[in-house]
Amino acid sequence: SYELTQPPSVSVSPGQTARITCSGDALPKQYAYWYQQKPGQAPVLVIYKDSERPSGIPERFSGSSSGTTVTLTISGVQAEDEADYYCQSADSSGTYKVFGTGTKVTVL
Amino acid sequence: EVQLVESGGGLVKPGGSLRLSCAASGFTFSSYSMNWVRQAPGKGLEWVSSISSSSSYIYYADSVKGRFTISRDNAKNSLYLQMNSLRAEDTAVYYCAREAGDSSGSPWGYFDYWGQGTLVTVSS
Repeated sequence: SYELTQPPSVSVSPGQTARITCSGDALPKQYAYWYQQKPGQAPVLVIYKDSERPSGIPERFSGSSSGTTVTLTISGVQAEDEADYYCQSADSSGTYKVFGTGTKVTVL
Repeated sequence: EVQLVESGGGLVKPGGSLRLSCAASGFTFSSYSMNWVRQAPGKGLEWVSSISSSSSYIYYADSVKGRFTISRDNAKNSLYLQMNSLRAEDTAVYYCAREAGDSSGSPWGYFDYWGQGTLVTVSS
């Protein structure tokens, strides 16, 4: 089955930049989406269609894509950004959705 | 305001069955594809199943195919997940999620609204 691979953890100091990668063979053909999940809460969409930001999401969240890897960048990280982050996409047919393995962002 | 409220979770023995429901409000339910996503304790998110706005297209993850059945009642603004032959590995919080899309019902492949989830525990 299709998989999306993320680093298990990323640590960053307040005000610095956090970058989270997500790799998958179908990413050149399918859009990627990113969700933030805090403990005990449902996920929240922070990036859609590789790099678009939903209304209400701070400008410090951005997304990019290059070949089989997509990246979520959090610029000027704040303590409130500490959370788990998941990429999501679909297989090459676009039929079956898949989530990445998840990355825990720790703000030092 | 869009609201999704799941119910029906609980403790069930291996091999048993459970039916989850998701009550939707605040949007035209019949115009959107809907999904179930689950999260095992301490683990990541796993997409489970999707159903198109008119129930014409239904898809399942390999892990639940043949055991779970997704359905919807647009007159009642409700989404369902019938879970049979439950296994310990089905233990998870189950989220109902709306798939973003346009007014014609075409889905865009991602989830713009989520419920708070309902916990399903499969244990003897």
